Amino acid sequence: QQKVQQSPESLTVSEGAMASLNCTFSDGTSDNFRWYRQHSGKGLEMLVSIFSDGEKEEGRFTAHLNRASLHVSLHIREPQPSDSAVYLCAVNSGYNKLTFGKGTVLLVSP
Amino acid sequence: NAGVIQTPRHKVTGKGQEATLWCEPISGHSAVFWYRQTIVQGLEFLTYFRNQAPIDDSGMPKERFSAQMPNQSHSTLKIQSTQPQDSAVYLCASSHRDRANERLFFGHGTKLSVL
Repeated sequence: QQKVQQSPESLTVSEGAMASLNCTFSDGTSDNFRWYRQHSGKGLEMLVSIFSDGEKEEGRFTAHLNRASLHVSLHIREPQPSDSAVYLCAVNSGYNKLTFGKGTVLLVSP
Repeated sequence: NAGVIQTPRHKVTGKGQEATLWCEPISGHSAVFWYRQTIVQGLEFLTYFRNQAPIDDSGMPKERFSAQMPNQSHSTLKIQSTQPQDSAVYLCASSHRDRANERLFFGHGTKLSVL
């Protein structure tokens, strides 16, 4: 059974500074890896979906995947206070059955 | 496109009562999923349907929980004899197909509070 762990649990960065979030998983054979965010009281917003080792950029969001290290990270360039939210890592078993981590609470201070 | 619609947004039930949660997937989407979100467990997969047929219910509690998809325009999650530990946000999601490269669209969820 896939296990997904995220670190840190919470992170505070200053506006404009790079924010880096980490996610480790137990089964590197999964089909794809995703990052979502959830603003308080709101729905889930997908940020990046990555299939292959290496880097995938979507606007200010960049995911790095290393299956051998069982690790995927998310880097947020020039974060704004509006980026303050819970960021969730998800591992896709193949048919959109997702296993989520517990999340990282990001606070971007002005 | 109104997205995935879930009703009600909030539901309060007394312990032992039944709760039915509704989901309207995006038109044309063949895969419908149910997830549950709690503070302690985070987001967990419950069950999913492909073309209205139940495919994987491995995340569903063995008792009191059931899900149906009687037609392509809606799915229901029913919880019998609700307990306080059932309190959670229940999320419905749909995708065009159940492939790994398909974007999954989530509804805003139904917050269930069992008193």
